[in-house]
Amino acid sequence: DQQVKQNSPSLSVQEGRISILNCDYTNSMFDYFLWYKKYPAEGPTFLISISSIKDKNEDGRFTVFLNKSAKHLSLHIVPSQPGDSAVYFCAALTGANNLFFGTGTRLTVIP
Amino acid sequence: EAQVTQNPRYLITVTGKKLTVTCSQNMNHEYMSWYRQDPGLGLRQIYYSMNVEATDKGDVPEGYKVSRKEKRNFPLILESPSPNQTSLYFCASSPWDRSYEQYFGPGTRLTVT
Repeated sequence: DQQVKQNSPSLSVQEGRISILNCDYTNSMFDYFLWYKKYPAEGPTFLISISSIKDKNEDGRFTVFLNKSAKHLSLHIVPSQPGDSAVYFCAALTGANNLFFGTGTRLTVIP
Repeated sequence: EAQVTQNPRYLITVTGKKLTVTCSQNMNHEYMSWYRQDPGLGLRQIYYSMNVEATDKGDVPEGYKVSRKEKRNFPLILESPSPNQTSLYFCASSPWDRSYEQYFGPGTRLTVT
């Protein structure tokens, strides 16, 4: 049973606009939530994280929001750039260092 | 250059023929892990290791073995591969206290016929 879910397989956004990627989880014991980015034929690369005790973390154009009551997190990319086109994986880490990934959302930023 | 390397990158084999996929990192990381990526399922953790001689099962460990005899290496062993182990495999590493920020290798595409 998938503990981390990304319900949108794909998203298209115009360059310069905001991209919002969403993720839901079922386990309230996760310690950290993460976003990874993956280009074709490469391994995933770490993008941004948020501790379960926070509700927002920002790093340049990327902001992650955590809503613990709804068991929901989102990644905002502003402004979106063509180089952001990739598959984005949401993930969650337990205290025992198990990492659970979502199924991914393919973001296409249209120039 | 800091990196995680995997070998081979591509492998086609037959059911039941034992194989090993190697993983090596040059960042002196304590934490290492193996994942498989399948369509519609995302990445799923197979095994992980917090340090030498310390390994633990992930979400989908059945049919796999690992060992951690040296800090830099974390091989994945399939004793008797089956077609349902056809997948894209990734190795990753991180410092022990930042296991959320993992560095991934380029992947190994395995086909079992």
